[in-house]
Amino acid sequence: DAGITQSPRHKVTETGTPVTLRCHQTENHRYMYWYRQDPGHGLRLIHYSYGVKDTDKGEVSDGYSVSRSKTEDFLLTLESATSSQTSVYFCAISKGGQGANYGYTFGSGTRLTVV
Amino acid sequence: AQKVTQAQTEISVVEKEDVTLDCVYETRDTTYYLFWYKQPPSGELVFLIRRNSFDEQNEISGRYSWNFQKSTSSFNFTITASQVVDSAVYFCAGRGGTYKYIFGTGTRLKVLA
Repeated sequence: DAGITQSPRHKVTETGTPVTLRCHQTENHRYMYWYRQDPGHGLRLIHYSYGVKDTDKGEVSDGYSVSRSKTEDFLLTLESATSSQTSVYFCAISKGGQGANYGYTFGSGTRLTVV
Repeated sequence: AQKVTQAQTEISVVEKEDVTLDCVYETRDTTYYLFWYKQPPSGELVFLIRRNSFDEQNEISGRYSWNFQKSTSSFNFTITASQVVDSAVYFCAGRGGTYKYIFGTGTRLKVLA
């Protein structure tokens, strides 16, 4: 498929520690996204990128930062993890000319637990 | 601002029944892009179908059909002759800006044998 890989798949971390999640794609797509999934909330957009070094905030960006120094990698950092950031995190790519016009391909998800 | 609402939290049907999942997509844009995704118990998210504002007819693909009623902002998705493998959480999504989607909260479908 689109060759999108998330790492790690599972992580347990302590409150207050920084955590970085990685999303890697192999097909040079321009648009990349980070969502979190929580019961009762569906999928909520954290940050997205529309090119190298071009990123923007989504609806739940507080406490998160992102970086995209090369096309294939989109990193999500929890600056100081809190228990409210326990969630499943999904990375997605869009293959289309403008990201919102085409279907996403999602990574397998990262289950993060903050204790 | 756009809004996606899935009022059905959970639906249970018996195998071979037809089932319709409801979604309301509110937008002031005249151009729209709408999607349905499936999340089976294994957890991955799978793109199912897309409809945009240029599509004029109801659409069918295999056992799936979908339509958008602009007057009510309803984007419904129907599975015909449901099967146990259709058991999953289904998410509706719509364009929430130039580069991004917004998702509904999902509907859990249970198909009983």
